[in-house]
Order: sequence, then structure tokens, then C-alpha cells
Amino acid sequence: NAGVTQTPKFQVLKTGQSMTLQCAQDMNHEYMSWYRQDPGMGLRLIHYSVGAGITDQGEVPNGYNVSRSTTEDFPLRLLSAAPSQTSVYFCASSSWTGSGGANVLTFGAGSRLTVL
Amino acid sequence: AQKVTQAQTEISVVEKEDVTLDCVYETRDTTYYLFWYKQPPSGELVFLIRRNSFDEQNEISGRYSWNFQKSTSSFNFTITASQVVDSAVYFCAFLSGNTGKLIFGQGTTLQVKP
Repeated sequence: NAGVTQTPKFQVLKTGQSMTLQCAQDMNHEYMSWYRQDPGMGLRLIHYSVGAGITDQGEVPNGYNVSRSTTEDFPLRLLSAAPSQTSVYFCASSSWTGSGGANVLTFGAGSRLTVL
Repeated sequence: AQKVTQAQTEISVVEKEDVTLDCVYETRDTTYYLFWYKQPPSGELVFLIRRNSFDEQNEISGRYSWNFQKSTSSFNFTITASQVVDSAVYFCAFLSGNTGKLIFGQGTTLQVKP
């Protein structure tokens, strides 16, 4: 099993450019999410999804878009990159069965993004 | 809104000392889950433990133990006889049983010196 695969691992962008961070999981997990990690700020939730066709905002959604057209994929789009979006991004997934279920997140290896 | 607070930003101990990492959460949910994750210098995130809101039993796993107290909204993590390999950033996390939103505390950096 590949688990959670994030691409690219490293990316440098110029201010105003757009890009998509890809996230794919092969565990048939319902729940997928994106976090950014900044020094002293911990992991902050950007967007999450509890199933295909369902997405919701996390703590810091501004400047990011997501969609969930399939169970496997949960891409994160930066529409117009800003230096404040320089960070390490983690995608994670877990099984989720609504109010009765919760499972352990499986994290991707992270994507380091630098916006100049 | 839910919130997770790890008030200790950095802790430094000498090997073999015991150390407790604090985690306090805020919520109005009755169903929720609490987690601890470890992030070693290599950067990956490693799951340590999960607790649901209906299970206040403390847990011990080797040198690790967890104390969950709903009365004080705390889920503290103790490492007994710390080792250099325990040096890492430790995150406490909260999952709402209603919304599915999983949020993390700011993390505590633990340095264990030989």
C-alpha cells in the first residue's frame, strides 16, 4: 500500500502564480484533510472532506481551494500564491463513519512550498 | 469553537528524567476524540494514542502514559525515564464527533539531553 501520496515534495513559486498540490490515498478513506505547518504555529487545518463531493473549511482556508470528486484524490489549489503561504503542507486521511467513527490519521510526507 | 492549547512551547530535560506534556482543550461537543502525535526531526507525523470522550481511563504503554480528565478538559502525556530518542515535537489534537474537524495544538518541542 502506498498510503497517502503527496506531490510535489518541493516547489518554489513566484507571487501571483497558481499551483495545485496533489494528494492521493489508496486506503478507501472517507476523510481527507490538508494542514499547513509553520514554526510556532503547529498544524493548522486548511480544508477537509468527509466524503466525495463534500468539503468544508478549516481554520485557515483563505487563499486555498479544494474539491473532492473521487474518494482517492483531494487536491489543494493555490489560486494566487503569496509569500504568507510559504509553509510545509501535509495531506492526511482516515476512515470516517459520521458521528460514530473516528480513526487515526495517515499523513503524507509533506510538501515544502516557498513563495518568493 | 474548539480549541487545543499546549502551553509549553519547549521543554528541555536530561536523559532519564520524567517529563509531562500538557494539553488543554475547549469544546461544547459531547462526543469527541483526543490524540497525541509525535514529529521527530525527520519530519513525519507518528500517531501515539487516541481517546474518545466517553473513556477517561488512563493508559500506559511502556514508558508513555496518558492522563485524560474531562473535569479539567486536559489530556496530558508523560514520558517516564526519557531518552534522547524521545526528542521531537509532540502535538495534541482534537476531533469533533459532530463536524469531523480535527485540529491540533501548537506543539511542544521536547529536547532530551544525554
